[in-house]
Amino acid sequence: DAGVIQSPRHEVTEMGQEVTLRCKPISGHDYLFWYRQTMMRGLELLIYFNNNVPIDDSGMPEDRFSAKMPNASFSTLKIQPSEPRDSAVYFCASTTTVYTYNEQFFGPGTRLTVL
Amino acid sequence: RKEVEQDPGPFNVPEGATVAFNCTYSNSASQSFFWYRQDCRKEPKLLMSVYSSGNEDGRFTAQLNRASQYISLLIRDSKLSDSATYLCVVTQEGGSYIPTFGRGTSLIVHP
Repeated sequence: DAGVIQSPRHEVTEMGQEVTLRCKPISGHDYLFWYRQTMMRGLELLIYFNNNVPIDDSGMPEDRFSAKMPNASFSTLKIQPSEPRDSAVYFCASTTTVYTYNEQFFGPGTRLTVL
Repeated sequence: RKEVEQDPGPFNVPEGATVAFNCTYSNSASQSFFWYRQDCRKEPKLLMSVYSSGNEDGRFTAQLNRASQYISLLIRDSKLSDSATYLCVVTQEGGSYIPTFGRGTSLIVHP
């Protein structure tokens, strides 16, 4: 298995532009997570899906952020409009279940820089 | 107060040393505990789960103390390749599942 796939790996954009991050989870994994990591705040959970349905989006910072999972093999995280404080590494992770000791598998991350 | 707290370090130790990290959590309802390892500019990867009975994997030993609400990670005979950031993860099961990550503890093993 190729593992969790994220694209792009790096994104540099200007303030006010729309940014779309993409994630393909591991096949057969029912849960998908979006995280953001910064030096100041560490790794924060933004939203997670179960069987393509958003379960908890309480970590989404504000309305500028939105996430979708149209099918079991694809999810997007969109920021519109982007701001410099959104600069961070965004990770996607997937797992089979959350009700036992179960490993989350992380993608390589998207390093976002908003100028 | 952050729910999961770790000493950020860095812990700077020579090869062969034994080093221990602690992680405290504030939610007594927490049920699952993990240590993840994150190399520089890489994604986190599971190092080991932490069970109530404690567990050991080679040079790594993890312990859970529910009464005092902390978990620990002990690394014996440190190797250069152990240099990384170690993230403590605590989750609640049932209802809304939200894994909470600590900020991580940086370990540098030098020759």
